[in-house]
Amino acid sequence: GQSLEQPSEVTAVEGAIVQINCTYQTSGFYGLSWYQQHDGGAPTFLSYNGLDGLEETGRFSSFLSRSDSYGYLLLQELQMKDSASYFCASGGGKLIFGQGTELSVKP
Amino acid sequence: EAGVVQSPRYKIIEKKQPVAFWCNPISGHNTLYWYRQNLGQGPELLIRYENEEAVDDSQLPKDRFSAERLKGVDSTLKIQPAELGDSAVYLCASSSPEASYNEQFFGPGTRLTVL
Repeated sequence: GQSLEQPSEVTAVEGAIVQINCTYQTSGFYGLSWYQQHDGGAPTFLSYNGLDGLEETGRFSSFLSRSDSYGYLLLQELQMKDSASYFCASGGGKLIFGQGTELSVKP
Repeated sequence: EAGVVQSPRYKIIEKKQPVAFWCNPISGHNTLYWYRQNLGQGPELLIRYENEEAVDDSQLPKDRFSAERLKGVDSTLKIQPAELGDSAVYLCASSSPEASYNEQFFGPGTRLTVL
């Protein structure tokens, strides 16, 4: 089977840095993806880690440690528009999503 | 480049009625997915197509759900008859062979309410 665990909600202030963790249990490993979803919107792909280490894309970075079955999404210089749900996901042809972390950015 | 198109955006029906959702993926994306997303949850895969072939439909409740992708482009998901528990957002996504399954492009979804 496959499952991904992430915190249900996180709150931070504008300009701060926030880290959203994801731990996974998989029968086989296919890398870890992150998606952002604004309220009422479509999930949008943010990043993918196939190997251990850090991937950086602008203000967002994602990290993976396969030995620890653990990854995180790091958001820097938080903006109000970053308020959304963030999902980690893994799988080959069958992508399994975590329950999502609702990020609230306060002024 | 146009994104994934879905229609309708919203649908309200009485229980036991049929309903259908339509999806047109990004041009050139041969893999198409249907997901169901319940409130406060992550999307759950219902069915995955590679061109016109359904390669994973293990999560599709086949007693009432059906899907087709006849020409390997657009797709239709049907529920007949609908039940109260089917109320959810139905998302369609597509991916290209180059980007792999991990980078999927989602449509805006159809929000279904069953009364």
